[in-house]
Amino acid sequence: GIQVEQSPPDLILQEGANSTLRCNFSDSVNNLQWFHQNPWGQLINLFYIPSGTKQNGRLSATTVATERYSLLYISSSQTTDSGVYFCAGGPYNTNAGKSTFGDGTTLTVKP
Amino acid sequence: GAVVSQHPSRVICKSGTSVKIECRSLDFQATTMFWYRQFPKQSLMLMATSNEGSKATYEQGVEKDKFLINHASLTLSTLTVTSAHPEDSSFYICSVGRTGTSGGSSYEQYFGPGTRLTVT
Repeated sequence: GIQVEQSPPDLILQEGANSTLRCNFSDSVNNLQWFHQNPWGQLINLFYIPSGTKQNGRLSATTVATERYSLLYISSSQTTDSGVYFCAGGPYNTNAGKSTFGDGTTLTVKP
Repeated sequence: GAVVSQHPSRVICKSGTSVKIECRSLDFQATTMFWYRQFPKQSLMLMATSNEGSKATYEQGVEKDKFLINHASLTLSTLTVTSAHPEDSSFYICSVGRTGTSGGSSYEQYFGPGTRLTVT
């Protein structure tokens, strides 16, 4: 199956700093998504981004599908950005909609 | 998007008992739902794909007789952990798959808030 590698595994920032999270896939993926898991365990949809670039406020994401990676940018980080960020995607050779998750990046934003 | 609920949010049970977890799609009819398990400080692991009106498809290594999935309607899927043991203690999360919310052939998953199971 597809392997998903996220980096860095842990990231500690001061409030106001910028960061880049990366997600590498072992094969081409479909339905690539980024999620934020808050301290209570809820996964919040950030981006659906199989290719191209999207922006939503202080967050943006870029996927280069031909090179099988995606980046999540967080600018002017706030303490509420803390949590675990996951990327996930599924193989093209199935219509089942299944996704494989990376191990996540744990972000801690200090005031 | 999609709004997904789970019940209960937390459950503590004794070893050997069975526990049922409900996953509801509140604002659209979900043909497909997914069940995941997450151990502390680990990623989400897909357990099974639940399709309305048919048998669930289990991932390799997941015991279908232990984790019973029923998707009897387009808004409800249930996961029953039978004869639970302490090693089944985990965070169980469901999601619904929805097409087109980001246009065209997009297929996105939306997650419930999760159920924390503790088996004593």
